[in-house]
Amino acid sequence: DQQVKQNSPSLSVQEGRISILNCDYTNSMFDYFLWYKKYPAEGPTFLISISSIKDKNEDGRFTVFLNKSAKHLSLHIVPSQPGDSAVYFCAASGQGAQKLVFGQGTRLTINP
Amino acid sequence: EAGVTQFPSHSVIEKGQTVTLRCDPISGHDNLYWYRRVMGKEIKFLLHFVKESKQDESGMPNNRFLAERTGGTYSTLKVQPAELEDSGVYFCASSRLGGRWYTGELFFGEGSRLTVL
Repeated sequence: DQQVKQNSPSLSVQEGRISILNCDYTNSMFDYFLWYKKYPAEGPTFLISISSIKDKNEDGRFTVFLNKSAKHLSLHIVPSQPGDSAVYFCAASGQGAQKLVFGQGTRLTINP
Repeated sequence: EAGVTQFPSHSVIEKGQTVTLRCDPISGHDNLYWYRRVMGKEIKFLLHFVKESKQDESGMPNNRFLAERTGGTYSTLKVQPAELEDSGVYFCASSRLGGRWYTGELFFGEGSRLTVL
């Protein structure tokens, strides 16, 4: 049973516009949520995270929103740039465990 | 400072053969993790070492997989005998003890792609 789900396998956005990537989870014991970015033939790299006690975290062009009641989080990228084209993974962990539970990933393509 | 290094980058073997993947974590990182991504699906946790001890191996699929970390430095993941469903990308990650992995202090290697024919 998949505890973290990214239901959109791909997303195409025009350069300069906002990209919104979504993630749903089922385990209410998760206390940290992270977004990773992955380029082809590279490992995932950390992008931004949020604690379950917050509902928003912002870092430059990237903002993560957490809706605990809906068990939903989203990553907003604005403005989107060509270098943002990559696969984005949502991940979660909880109860002090350092292991991450990942979603399937969303391939974001930024079009010029 | 070198990042997490994995070898080989790609291995092609036949069903029934043995493959050993190696991971060199960032120097000084006592936490070492193995993850796997199969067929474009989610990245799944396999196991977690703290130094040379297995802290959590709940994600290991079956007894054909053996992970070791002798001396608490590099780690190996052996698959014997390999099956078709073992194909995928195996990622290693490392972090410091007490490091803030939840704010990015967890670093992944580039992965070892395994193809079983």
